[in-house]
Amino acid sequence: GAGVSQSPSNKVTEKGKDVELRCDPISGHTALYWYRQSLGQGLEFLIYFQGNSAPDKSGLPSDRFSAERTGGSVSTLTIQRTQQEDSAVYLCASSWSKGNQPQHFGDGTRLSIL
Amino acid sequence: DAKTTQPNSMESNEEEPVHLPCNHSTISGTDYIHWYRQLPSQGPEYVIHGLTSNVNNRMASLAIAEDRKSSTLILHRATLRDAAVYYCILRDLKGGSEKLVFGKGTKLTVNP
Repeated sequence: GAGVSQSPSNKVTEKGKDVELRCDPISGHTALYWYRQSLGQGLEFLIYFQGNSAPDKSGLPSDRFSAERTGGSVSTLTIQRTQQEDSAVYLCASSWSKGNQPQHFGDGTRLSIL
Repeated sequence: DAKTTQPNSMESNEEEPVHLPCNHSTISGTDYIHWYRQLPSQGPEYVIHGLTSNVNNRMASLAIAEDRKSSTLILHRATLRDAAVYYCILRDLKGGSEKLVFGKGTKLTVNP
């Protein structure tokens, strides 16, 4: 069955460039999350979308990071003026509505900043 | 978010049961106990969750202490595919925060 799909699977870019990472959630899932996993920091929450509600942006590390979710489905995470410390695996997850629903993760985008 | 404590690593032999402990002494009455695991080069995968009673599903069992200050994830017969990092996470939905807060987890090695 179709799980959470993320693209690209790997991205190498130069410091200072902008990058866009894409997440296709499981069809019908109204909740969507972005996390990142770096060697020194473990898995950390970035942003959460639920239906038409205002997103929870409390985990975004700086104003260089932004995300949008169009039509309640696909989401794009954008990092502007990338820095070397942005190198990490960016993971997307989706779940049914609110509550105790399990989050289903994609396999992530591995971002490397040269 | 309430904190959990897990051993950094554990080892098991294939086809033997594995008991992965988690301490959460500051758990609140509305915290659910969730377990996820992460296989190498993959995103985390949901395993099981519970509130007070023990829970079973096709992947594992969750045993919750009567005072809820600790829990144990039980893999009944470990396979090589169960080698992963296992995360014990407390989720308090009352506060409206839907995010998962991951600790360092337990790295499980399964020996053939």
